[in-house]
Amino acid sequence: AQSVSQHNHHVILSEAASLELGCNYSYGGTVNLFWYVQYPGQHLQLLLKYFSGDPLVKGIKGFEAEFIKSKFSFNLRKPSVQWSDTAEYFCAVYPNTDKLIFGTGTRLQVFP
Amino acid sequence: EAGVAQSPRYKIIEKRQSVAFWCNPISGHATLYWYQQILGQGPKLLIQFQNNGVVDDSQLPKDRFSAERLKGVDSTLKIQPAKLEDSAVYLCASSSNLGDTDTQYFGPGTRLTVL
Repeated sequence: AQSVSQHNHHVILSEAASLELGCNYSYGGTVNLFWYVQYPGQHLQLLLKYFSGDPLVKGIKGFEAEFIKSKFSFNLRKPSVQWSDTAEYFCAVYPNTDKLIFGTGTRLQVFP
Repeated sequence: EAGVAQSPRYKIIEKRQSVAFWCNPISGHATLYWYQQILGQGPKLLIQFQNNGVVDDSQLPKDRFSAERLKGVDSTLKIQPAKLEDSAVYLCASSSNLGDTDTQYFGPGTRLTVL
């Protein structure tokens, strides 16, 4: 069965630190890839997505993610985090003709 | 553009009771999804509708869960009878059938507590 792994369950950073959240998936075919964010008390929002083309995709609020097909990875990065980035981040994979599969999420806490 | 609407936002019931959740997708979105998100886990698809037809309900516990989308717009998800392990957030999402059909837009969810 297809699966999505987010190895960092809880990340704590100070403001201005760099962020990288890992995401690996198990599916050998064509996939669409997503990062969703859930701010405290809010609903899931799309942060960025990759369907095809340039494997480095840029999303909202300075986030970017790189698709490395050979590593089945789609890691999320931000060079300098802010307190307002405190949220839960979900990686999701859409295998071709199948259903959207979410990882277990990474809780990010940013301290001033 | 209005987002996905869900109600109620919170519900507390006792086990063996029944409960229903309502979802109104983004206007014009043909595809509607119901997800279950248990604490500490990512959302898991329960059922997917395309207009008023079921596309995928392979992960819906059909002995107690049911869902309908009679007119191809809003949808209800019902649990009868509820069990303790049904405590979760129930998310509704929708996507367009034009252009970017794979991006799903989520509602605020209904947090269900079963005592």
